Amino acid sequence: DAKTTQPTSMDCAEGRAANLPCNHSTISGNEYVYWYRQIHSQGPQYIIHGLKNNETNEMASLIITEDRKSSTLILPHATLRDTAVYYCIVRGGATNKLIFGTGTLLAVQP
Amino acid sequence: DVKVTQSSRYLVKRTGEKVFLECVQDMDHENMFWYRQDPGLGLRLIYFSYDVKMKEKGDIPEGYSVSREKKERFSLILESASTNQTSMYLCASAPTNFNYGYTFGSGTRLTVV
Repeated sequence: DAKTTQPTSMDCAEGRAANLPCNHSTISGNEYVYWYRQIHSQGPQYIIHGLKNNETNEMASLIITEDRKSSTLILPHATLRDTAVYYCIVRGGATNKLIFGTGTLLAVQP
Repeated sequence: DVKVTQSSRYLVKRTGEKVFLECVQDMDHENMFWYRQDPGLGLRLIYFSYDVKMKEKGDIPEGYSVSREKKERFSLILESASTNQTSMYLCASAPTNFNYGYTFGSGTRLTVV
């Protein structure tokens, strides 16, 4: 599975959009991009995933570049409850394993 | 609401004890996973299972074993607990089609003294 690179930490003002970047330059054609988040002392929570096209759900939007070498998770109106560690993961279509990195700590400031 | 339930939230055991961590899911998922999480190291995969009685080693299986006798239950076993196994342990499950990735439990914080 391809490796991902994320910033260690980011800040965002409450009510503003939070844009979390992820680089996955070695991604191959059948690999999906998944995003999870982990709020302190809880298990990770699924947010969104995509293959090639941009995706949106009730939690977030996922923008994948045309070459698929990077992606951005967008939380449109961040709240204090969105403070968490966000993980970007690439998973091959043939495997059931998710390999987590150390993620980005997003701190939403009042 | 779908659930992955881990039997204990906090556990304290002595060095050398045999420790069982239990995980039960109610979603009829084929795949189940055990991770440990340590500060600065993120989540690391210990073992996983894609079917009853099947198991595969993850990245850090040493010192652990697993058991999957029923589809809904996946147990992690520490044969002889050591202090370096003090950690947060997270169980997850996923369907074969993997459409929405994993569902995680709330975790068990194990302290070995």
